[in-house]
Amino acid sequence: DAGVTQSPTHLIKTRGQQVTLRCSPKSGHDTVSWYQQALGQGPQFIFQYYEEEERQRGNFPDRFSGHQFPNYSSELNVNALWLGDSALYLCASSFPGQDEQFFGPGTRLTVL
Amino acid sequence: QQQVKQSPQSLIVQKGGISIINCAYENTAFDYFPWYQQFPGKGPALLIAIRPDVSEKKEGRFTISFNKSAKQFSLHIMDSQPGDSATYFCAASKRSGGYQKVTFGTGTKLQVIP
Repeated sequence: DAGVTQSPTHLIKTRGQQVTLRCSPKSGHDTVSWYQQALGQGPQFIFQYYEEEERQRGNFPDRFSGHQFPNYSSELNVNALWLGDSALYLCASSFPGQDEQFFGPGTRLTVL
Repeated sequence: QQQVKQSPQSLIVQKGGISIINCAYENTAFDYFPWYQQFPGKGPALLIAIRPDVSEKKEGRFTISFNKSAKQFSLHIMDSQPGDSATYFCAASKRSGGYQKVTFGTGTKLQVIP
C-alpha cells in the first residue's frame, strides 16, 4: 500500500517564476491538505481540498492556489515566487471526517 | 498569531531517560491534539494523538498528558533511545463545516545520547 507521494523531490526556481507541486494521496484517502514548512519551523497550513474544492484555507496569499483531480491527487501552484517561499512543501491525506493525517516526504523548493 | 506554543526548542536526554516536551494552546475550539515525529529529509509521522475529553493516553513508550483547564498538553517518551533522536511537533486542530484546520507548534529537536 503506497503512502502519500509527492513530486518533484527538489526544485530550484528564480524570483517571479511560477511553480507546480504534485501530490498523490494514500490509497483510500480523498482529502488532501498542503503545508509549508520553513527551515527550523513547524508546518503551516495552506489549504485543504475535498471533492475537488478548497474547503479550508490558512493565512496564505492568493498567489498560492490548488487543484484536486477526480482521482483525488492534488496540485499546489505558487505564482510570482519570492525568496520567502523557499521551504519544504508537505502534502497530507486523510479520510473525510477523520482527523488523522498522513504526510508525504515533501518537496524542497528553493527560490533564488 | 501563534496559537500553539511548544517548549523546549531543543532537548538532550541520556539513553534510558525520560524526554518531556510541553505545549500550550489558546483556542478552546481545538478538539484534536496530535504529536508528530520528523526525521531529517522526511515528512512528519503521527506518533500519538488525544482528544480533550481524555487526560492521558499511552501507546508503548509514548504518553500524552492533557490538562484541559490549563490548556496544556505534553509528550513523555519513556526509556528514550538514540533512534528517538528527531524533531517532535505538537499540533492542535479544529473542524469548521466538517473540515479540519491544523496548527503546529514550532518543534523540539530531541537528541538522545548513549
